Amino acid sequence: EAQVTQNPRYLITVTGKKLTVTCSQNMNHEYMSWYRQDPGLGLRQIYYSMNVEVTDKGDVPEGYKVSRKEKRNFPLILESPSPNQTSLYFCASSRSSGIGGYTFGSGTRLTVV
Amino acid sequence: QKEVEQNSGPLSVPEGAIASLNCTYSDRGSQSFFWYRQYSGKSPELIMSIYSNGDKEDGRFTAQLNKASQYVSLLIRDSQPSDSATYLCAVGFQKLVFGTGTRLLVSP
Repeated sequence: EAQVTQNPRYLITVTGKKLTVTCSQNMNHEYMSWYRQDPGLGLRQIYYSMNVEVTDKGDVPEGYKVSRKEKRNFPLILESPSPNQTSLYFCASSRSSGIGGYTFGSGTRLTVV
Repeated sequence: QKEVEQNSGPLSVPEGAIASLNCTYSDRGSQSFFWYRQYSGKSPELIMSIYSNGDKEDGRFTAQLNKASQYVSLLIRDSQPSDSATYLCAVGFQKLVFGTGTRLLVSP
């Protein structure tokens, strides 16, 4: 089944404790992206990647890091999480940027206390 | 800042009616337009894409695009209670910008 897999689904952590949210797609998509979704603010792009080793900032990149060492994987790293990073996070992929729309992962609900 | 605007709703329609969802966007260079459906607590699901002016129909869904007016809409015919969700408009080319969504409520 073609899908984008995110882990974990739920995560509660403490301020300052580094964490990684994994994202993997099995559709051989070139384009991958991370979004956060907050009430009233909608989906906001954190980082995106056009292909392996090519990443760029989205609209809200502060406090996040990403890497794209393999085509299928695009992990999101929070090196020192803060409470304002409490949010619902989605990973998405597409065949090529802007073409055919995105396939989204199931989401990761992160709470930073 | 490229923007996509949607009325947050809720838009309430009775079962069997036509639901009309609207979206305006600011970037005239946008070339790709999408509608996503998102149930509460779930991930967005692509339901329609449209790339050129005019109408595109897929089952009960029709997407309409007017680039001159920077306007894209989604019509849902014969609305069902299962259509109750938030509908997200997404616009862009190399990068998609999402609206904040319109909540649709279909009452039996």
